[in-house]
Amino acid sequence: QVTLKESGPALVKPTETLTLTCTVSGFSLSNARMGVSWIRQPPGKALEWLAHIVSNDEKTYSTSLKSRLTISKDTSKSQVVLIMTNMDPVDTATYYCARIYGEYSTVFDYWGLGTLVTVSS
Amino acid sequence: SYVLTQPPSVSVAPGQTARITCGGNNIESKSVHWYQQKPGQAPVLVVYDDSDRPSGIPERFSGSNSGNTATLTIGRVEAGDEADYLCQVWNIITDQYVFGTGTKVTVL
Repeated sequence: QVTLKESGPALVKPTETLTLTCTVSGFSLSNARMGVSWIRQPPGKALEWLAHIVSNDEKTYSTSLKSRLTISKDTSKSQVVLIMTNMDPVDTATYYCARIYGEYSTVFDYWGLGTLVTVSS
Repeated sequence: SYVLTQPPSVSVAPGQTARITCGGNNIESKSVHWYQQKPGQAPVLVVYDDSDRPSGIPERFSGSNSGNTATLTIGRVEAGDEADYLCQVWNIITDQYVFGTGTKVTVL
């Protein structure tokens, strides 16, 4: 059974750095066809893709947020980590991790439940 | 950047057909995926690669993609179909994943 679970702080202050962890089960991050993305959704707004990492450690980032994001993975722990620097109230959102399976696939087939992060002093 | 435009809302009576559009420049050249999202829940994939359905998704959900518009069609709409629906593509030129603006489907 494939599952993804996000964890991290519910509240961060402006200018602080956010670290989120996605713990996966039911598949291996070392699988050649596997990739995991971070996606966020501000309250009442649409989804916004942030970053993606694949099994060979190749990473891609949202053009608009690239300077603030770092994605990494620890295959032994089955975890994908997202770091976002210089947090601002506009970054308040539910943050999801989601899986892409398949060498040429571009579809997110499994999602975590999401974790709400509020940025406030 | 590549933009996907969806109507903010669609209303449909039970038993009727709902059609949700997703507009993008030459979108027919891309694989379009559709997600259903109910309040407070994570998105659920309902159609992928324009017109394929994951296992467990009713045949009432179907998709098409032509020209500058992709369409998600929900046949014989039920009250449980009330949700937000979002389209998504991968832009090969910029290597970015792009989501549509979302459409709220209301069952009258």
